[in-house]
Amino acid sequence: DSGVTQTPKHLITATGQRVTLRCSPRSGDLSVYWYQQSLDQGLQFLIQYYNGEERAKGNILERFSAQQFPDLHSELNLSSLELGDSALYFCASSPTSGGYNEQFFGPGTRLTVL
Amino acid sequence: KNQVEQSPQSLIILEGKNCTLQCNYTVSPFSNLRWYKQDTGRGPVSLTIMTFSENTKSNGRYTATLDADTKQSSLHITASQLSDSASYICVVKHGSSNTGKLIFGQGTTLQVKP
Repeated sequence: DSGVTQTPKHLITATGQRVTLRCSPRSGDLSVYWYQQSLDQGLQFLIQYYNGEERAKGNILERFSAQQFPDLHSELNLSSLELGDSALYFCASSPTSGGYNEQFFGPGTRLTVL
Repeated sequence: KNQVEQSPQSLIILEGKNCTLQCNYTVSPFSNLRWYKQDTGRGPVSLTIMTFSENTKSNGRYTATLDADTKQSSLHITASQLSDSASYICVVKHGSSNTGKLIFGQGTTLQVKP
């Protein structure tokens, strides 16, 4: 158990809908990262937040957005969902930002878009 | 283009045997290189983290090597066990800024058979 929690574990929805994925980092970690893992692709970095502020952006679609709240939990919002958005979404956390920080991954949320 | 390539894509070995997984990267500037183990449907778990000045790092039966000159790394698994069956992902931290942005390889899927 990494100490990072993600809810829900599974999510099934229809195209065009909007969903929110939630992540609680390890106690004391200030950085939160979001990743997408599709069946035919490796892990893709989406976005990083550090202490409430966006720190780095990866291949995140405009239909996706995220935020980190004062209590350091984070939410990833996915809207106008398409079939291709079906994937595992992982959240990771680390004590600070960058450098040698080890990132601890949560168990993931499996999103299925029908 | 910053990329991480792994070989082989998949590997089947018998329990008790050794194996070596390969990773080549073109990420620049380089900060550090990590190996993760990912069980099916679960979040990745860190095995090792190495900076450019570290040539070898061990974690139990796992030994990672790094040649920063040739931009190659390997992960050697000794005396394999059934529980080693997983995907092994080589990850390079991009060193351009104070962010946690990681670049992931596609992974090598290892199956250990009794």
